[in-house]
Amino acid sequence: EVQLVESGGGLVQPGGSLRLACAASGFTLRNHWMHWVRQAPGKGLVWVSYIETDGSTTNYADSVRGRFTISSDNAKNTLYLQLTGLRVEDTAVYYCVRDANQGMDVWGQGTTVTVSS
Amino acid sequence: QSALTQPASVSGSPGQSITISCTGTSSDVGSYNLVAWYQQYPGKAPKLMIYEVSKRPSGVSNRFSGSKSGNTASLTISGLQAEDEADYYCCSHASGTTWAWVFGGGTKLTVL
Repeated sequence: EVQLVESGGGLVQPGGSLRLACAASGFTLRNHWMHWVRQAPGKGLVWVSYIETDGSTTNYADSVRGRFTISSDNAKNTLYLQLTGLRVEDTAVYYCVRDANQGMDVWGQGTTVTVSS
Repeated sequence: QSALTQPASVSGSPGQSITISCTGTSSDVGSYNLVAWYQQYPGKAPKLMIYEVSKRPSGVSNRFSGSKSGNTASLTISGLQAEDEADYYCCSHASGTTWAWVFGGGTKLTVL
């Protein structure tokens, strides 16, 4: 079964850091572009970042560029998102998502990041 | 990277058809036939319903259809059913030096 399982969310103070992980199963991560998408409480979906199959091409939403870093470990079949300089407005459920060149076709269950003092 | 514009809510009765619009710009919706639509139930992860403007993934009902004209994409749901009540989001590639994506603000569909 194709599956994505996120972990690493939690409560962090403003200015703090977290590393989110997304374990992929049922498919090989390096064969797909991958995304992180977030959703603040009661709000809509917001694209955060993506990484291409070669791992060297990435991009970020303007709101997180310079603070978040996407990466992947092909040996572990795991995607990561390093969050630094966290702000209250980064509070959200973070989804790991597979891109099948036909849209974002597989979504994880999400991991919750809460930034609060 | 401004969000695409969707109506906040739409409603319809069972059996009717509804259409949700998604308006972008010539830098996103208008530039690519790469608009997708996602359905999301409360507390659940989104599900891909339409990709490349009008294509349906395997397993998605043919009651769901998509189209695009200029900078506006549309999702039409025909033969409304109670189970269609959910939030719907459009998403498009956005132009730039590298790939980026932008979502719409979401539309709450209520089946009366």
